[in-house]
This record gives sequence, C-alpha cells and structure tokens, in this order.
Amino acid sequence: NAGVTQTPKFQVLKTGQSMTLQCAQDMNHEYMSWYRQDPGMGLRLIHYSVGAGITDQGEVPNGYNVSRSTTEDFPLRLLSAAPSQTSVYFCASSYSRDPLGPLHFGNGTRLTVT
Amino acid sequence: DQQVKQNSPSLSVQEGRISILNCDYTNSMFDYFLWYKKYPAEGPTFLISISSIKDKNEDGRFTVFLNKSAKHLSLHIVPSQPGDSAVYFCAARAYNNNDMRFGAGTRLTVKP
Repeated sequence: NAGVTQTPKFQVLKTGQSMTLQCAQDMNHEYMSWYRQDPGMGLRLIHYSVGAGITDQGEVPNGYNVSRSTTEDFPLRLLSAAPSQTSVYFCASSYSRDPLGPLHFGNGTRLTVT
Repeated sequence: DQQVKQNSPSLSVQEGRISILNCDYTNSMFDYFLWYKKYPAEGPTFLISISSIKDKNEDGRFTVFLNKSAKHLSLHIVPSQPGDSAVYFCAARAYNNNDMRFGAGTRLTVKP
C-alpha cells in the first residue's frame, strides 16, 4: 500500500524555469491538496481538489497551477520558478465526506530555486 | 493571516513526564481540530482529532483538550517517550470547508 507518492524528492531550478511536481494516491480519495512548508509558517495550502475535474485555490495559490484529470493524480505546476518558491512541498489526500478524516501526506519534495 | 497559532516553537521534557503542546485559533467558524506529528524527511502523520461538540478526546497516551470560549486547544502526552520527539502541528477546519489551516508547529524533544 503506497499511500501518497510524490516525485521528485529533490529538485533545483533556475529562476524562470518551469517544472511539474507529481503526486499520486492509491486510496481512492476524493480530496487532494498541495501544501508548502516554510520555516516559522507551518503548512500553507496552495491548491486543492474535491474530485476529478474540480480544483480550487487555497491560501497561497499565486505562481502555481493544478489540474485533476483522474482521481489518482494531482500534479502541481510551476510555470516560471522564483526564489520565493524555494520550499518543501507536500501533497495530501483524504475522504472529503468525513470532516474529521485526516489528511494522508506524501514525504515531500524539497525545491530550491536559484 | 495566521488563523492557527502555535506560539511555542520548541519544548523540551524529560522522559516519563507530561508534554503539553498548545494551540490558539482566531476563526470562530472552525469546527474540527487535528494534531499531526512530523519526523524529519517525512510527511506529517495524523495523531488525534476533536470536533467542537466535545471538550476532550483521548487515545492512549495522547489527549486533546478544546476550550471553545478561549479558542484554545492543547495536546497532552503522558508519559512522554523519546520516540515522541518530533514537530507537532495543530490544524483546524470548518464543517463544510476543505481548507485546513495549520499552525507553525512545535518541536518537541523528549530527553531520556
């Protein structure tokens, strides 16, 4: 049981480059989300999806795009990387119908933008 | 705006003693509160939760207390063990909202 799988684990980008952070879950969860973790800021929600074909913005969406074409996958795209996007990114999923249902997190992608 | 606040960045306790981690929130719409634990190089993992209709929830060594009037919750770990050393995040969400907000985390160190 893989749970939530994120790739790559590490990435270094130059300012202006683009890339996609991959996230896949095998638990048939409707809800998926992306967070970034920065020192002193905790985890901040970037984008989320309550099902295939549905996405919405979180707290810090600027500079990021998402799509949800399947239940399993929820990629996060950086169109033009900036140093301010240096962070650790976590993908998470859950059953959306259970408000106390915990989020299941991947192990993160550490991104450095130079 | 930081709607969930953990004002203690770190806490150190002796093995066997009680650890108390605190969390405050500002949004009165929050109905559900969760605690997550995070080890280095791993994603956060769920620890315990509580809904706003309760004031206490217990699971083994872990108990969460909720004081709605004060908009405050706390996580008690008794007895603390060295394996509990991790960063603990408090999180909150409203009933019909998938937007879960996290605090900045408290790093707990349990000394043998």
